[in-house]
Amino acid sequence: GNSVTQMEGPVTLSEEAFLTINCTYTATGYPSLFWYVQYPGEGLQLLLKATKADDKGSNKGFEATYRKETTSFHLEKGSVQVSDSAVYFCALNSPRGNEKLTFGTGTRLTIIP
Amino acid sequence: SAVISQKPSRDICQRGTSLTIQCQVDSQVTMMFWYRQQPGQSLTLIATANQGSEATYESGFVIDKFPISRPNLTFSTLTVSNMSPEDSSIYLCSVGWGSNQPQHFGDGTRLSIL
Repeated sequence: GNSVTQMEGPVTLSEEAFLTINCTYTATGYPSLFWYVQYPGEGLQLLLKATKADDKGSNKGFEATYRKETTSFHLEKGSVQVSDSAVYFCALNSPRGNEKLTFGTGTRLTIIP
Repeated sequence: SAVISQKPSRDICQRGTSLTIQCQVDSQVTMMFWYRQQPGQSLTLIATANQGSEATYESGFVIDKFPISRPNLTFSTLTVSNMSPEDSSIYLCSVGWGSNQPQHFGDGTRLSIL
């Protein structure tokens, strides 16, 4: 079945540091890949997506590239801000038509000034 | 995307009671889903809410415990029945349009059982 393996947290960084959160996946076929973010006390927001190999999703300074050869979709940001403190979830969408999302375990990110 | 309204946003309930959570979308959507997020955990899919028919439940979730309705393409409810402290979680509604498009989530219902 489908699975998503996500970098263990929590992660604590200083403001303006470089961020990488690793995500690898197992799936049959060609899933779509997503990063969602959950700010404290809120629901999930879509951060970015990629639907085919070599696609790069980007939003709010965050980027992730769909790497089929390494089955990875790592999240990066060049300079984090305190407001980026949140929990980040990597997810994939089954390509087999039932549209179910499979989530990683989530990575809690804390940015200190 | 769509505006997804979930009610209530939070509640504190007594053991043995039931609570119905509503999810309203401002446009017609193909798919609606219900997830549970236990404290400090990731999301687990409870069921897919099917318009006009019985929901499709995931392994470990049953209709008697989590009855779901979806009377039309913009509205769904999830009931958490005969609650126990183990049901204390965030319950989230999401919507999708198929074709590998992303799902969008409501703000969730934070439920605590005493």
